[in-house]
Amino acid sequence: NAGVTQTPKFRVLKTGQSMTLLCAQDMNHEYMYWYRQDPGMGLRLIHYSVGEGTTAKGEVPDGYNVSRLKKQNFLLGLESAAPSQTSVYFCASSPQGAGSYNSPLHFGNGTRLTVT
Amino acid sequence: GDSVTQMEGPVTLSEEAFLTINCTYTATGYPSLFWYVQYPGEGLQLLLKATKADDKGSNKGFEATYRKETTSFHLEKGSVQVSDSAVYFCALRDESSASKIIFGSGTRLSIRP
Repeated sequence: NAGVTQTPKFRVLKTGQSMTLLCAQDMNHEYMYWYRQDPGMGLRLIHYSVGEGTTAKGEVPDGYNVSRLKKQNFLLGLESAAPSQTSVYFCASSPQGAGSYNSPLHFGNGTRLTVT
Repeated sequence: GDSVTQMEGPVTLSEEAFLTINCTYTATGYPSLFWYVQYPGEGLQLLLKATKADDKGSNKGFEATYRKETTSFHLEKGSVQVSDSAVYFCALRDESSASKIIFGSGTRLSIRP
């Protein structure tokens, strides 16, 4: 039972380069999220999706794009990386349905990104 | 809007000490409340939850009670172990917006042997 899998685990980019982070979940969850975690800042929501083909902006969406072409995958793209995007990125998922607000998020183990 | 405020860290305790990490929240609806734990190099994982007022969540010796009158959900453990060293996050999920969860800023806990 893999749960939520993030790839890659580590990446170093130069300013201006682009990359895509992949999140895959095998729990048939409707909701998926991308967060970034910075020291002393806790978790900040970048984008989220409430179902296949839908995405929405979170708290800090600038500089990022997302896509949810398949229910099990949620991709986070950086078109032109900046040093301010150096962070640890976490993907999470949760089920939908009656009482879904009682459900916890299931997290991946994160991607550590450094932009030089 | 909804928010979660939790105790600033870091917190350092000796093994077998009593632990309290404070968490208070503001919400317009009737949220569910959660404590997550993050061990070094890992993602967050659910520690415990409570879904309505006066509910007590418990797991691995940790407890937290949903107090609507004080809008609090403090995390407690009677006797901490070195293996409890981690970062702890309080979070809420509001019934009016099930697609979003609000996290506190996290509290780093270190336990000395």
